[in-house]
Amino acid sequence: EVQLVESGGGLVQPGGSLRLSCAASGFTFSTYWMSWVRQAPGKGLEWVANIKQDGSEKYYVDSVKGRFTISRDNANNSLYLQMTSLRAEDTAVYYCARDRITAYGGSDYWGQGTLVTVSS
Amino acid sequence: QSVLTQPPSVSGAPGQRVTISCTGSSSNIGAGYDVHWYQQLPGTAPKLLIYGNSNRPSGVPDRFSGSKSGTSVSLAITGLQAEDEADYYCQSYDSSLSGYVFGPGTEVTVL
Repeated sequence: EVQLVESGGGLVQPGGSLRLSCAASGFTFSTYWMSWVRQAPGKGLEWVANIKQDGSEKYYVDSVKGRFTISRDNANNSLYLQMTSLRAEDTAVYYCARDRITAYGGSDYWGQGTLVTVSS
Repeated sequence: QSVLTQPPSVSGAPGQRVTISCTGSSSNIGAGYDVHWYQQLPGTAPKLLIYGNSNRPSGVPDRFSGSKSGTSVSLAITGLQAEDEADYYCQSYDSSLSGYVFGPGTEVTVL
């Protein structure tokens, strides 16, 4: 059974940093692109970033470029999102998602999400 | 403002058919990138409902169907049930943004 479990969310002050983790199990992690998607309270979904199987390609939504870094550890089946210079508008539930094997094929499994709150 | 557009809400009585449109542009749907649909029940994570414009993952009822025409795609729900009350999002890839984009979401209400 595919499982994605996020952790690391919490309350952080504006300008602060936070590192999210996603533990993957039930599939060969190293063979899939992985994504982070967020959802602000009461709002819609926003794709944040994704990373290629070997970590050699990474893409970000414009609003987080230069502030967020996506990475992975295939040996430990883990996905990460390092967030710096956090702003109030980064407040959201952050989901880890497995991208389908087909290029640009969407995400077929999602974690339960972890809440990040940026507030003083 | 979303790159993809969806109606904010649709509603129907139990058993009826409802459709949700998703309109894009020449850098996403019109460029030939597939559209995927997600269902998000209240308080839960999104679930893949339709991938590649019209394909259902295993376990998704055939009451849900997707279609594409030009730069627009649609999700249809036939035989509407109370359990279908949820938010529905379309998603595609946008070449000008070099990333995925979501529609703003459509709330489905069963009357």
